[in-house]
Amino acid sequence: AQSVTQLGSHVSVSEGALVLLRCNYSSSVPPYLFWYVQYPNQGLQLLLKYTTGATLVKGINGFEAEFKKSETSFHLTKPSAHMSDAAEYFCALSDGNNRLAFGKGNQVVVIP
Amino acid sequence: GAVVSQHPSRVICKSGTSVKIECRSLDFQATTMFWYRQFPKQSLMLMATSNEGSKATYEQGVEKDKFLINHASLTLSTLTVTSAHPEDSSFYICSARDRVTATDTQYFGPGTRLTVL
Repeated sequence: AQSVTQLGSHVSVSEGALVLLRCNYSSSVPPYLFWYVQYPNQGLQLLLKYTTGATLVKGINGFEAEFKKSETSFHLTKPSAHMSDAAEYFCALSDGNNRLAFGKGNQVVVIP
Repeated sequence: GAVVSQHPSRVICKSGTSVKIECRSLDFQATTMFWYRQFPKQSLMLMATSNEGSKATYEQGVEKDKFLINHASLTLSTLTVTSAHPEDSSFYICSARDRVTATDTQYFGPGTRLTVL
């Protein structure tokens, strides 16, 4: 069975500080991994994804994530938080048949 | 590009009535659409996979007679919540895969907030 774990429902970060959101997964097949962002009253927007190849993936808005198979992790980072980064972030795993399993999400609050 | 819309954005209905939610891909064709349910402060749970021209595939534990899915065209899928009850109140989100690019990326709609009184 596929599963995704995101710890800490709320994450507070100071403006200009590092954003780090942790994602660990469990998968019986080589995983496809995604990070999505959801702003209030909007749909999920793809930040970045890993399928195969380079394990460090760069996405939109300055975010990046690194796939570490040995640690079964796909943590999301951004060097410097901006007020506009306040949103909910979801890590997701595909089983190869396009069925996504989502983590519980992280609500990011940016403190001025 | 790759915009998915949902209608309505919010709906309030009485217990026992049926509610239809539409999911449209506006600028691409989608052979596959997905329906998710999101409870407050919880994650998205996949309910079913909707394939154009064929029956939907439901996830374990999802009542197919309760949640009727129709994917009659390459740009439209509908979810009908039949005989709705208060426990069906939730945020329903659809997503779609682009038929042409056929990538693993799903494009999500903005969601529909259903409240059953």
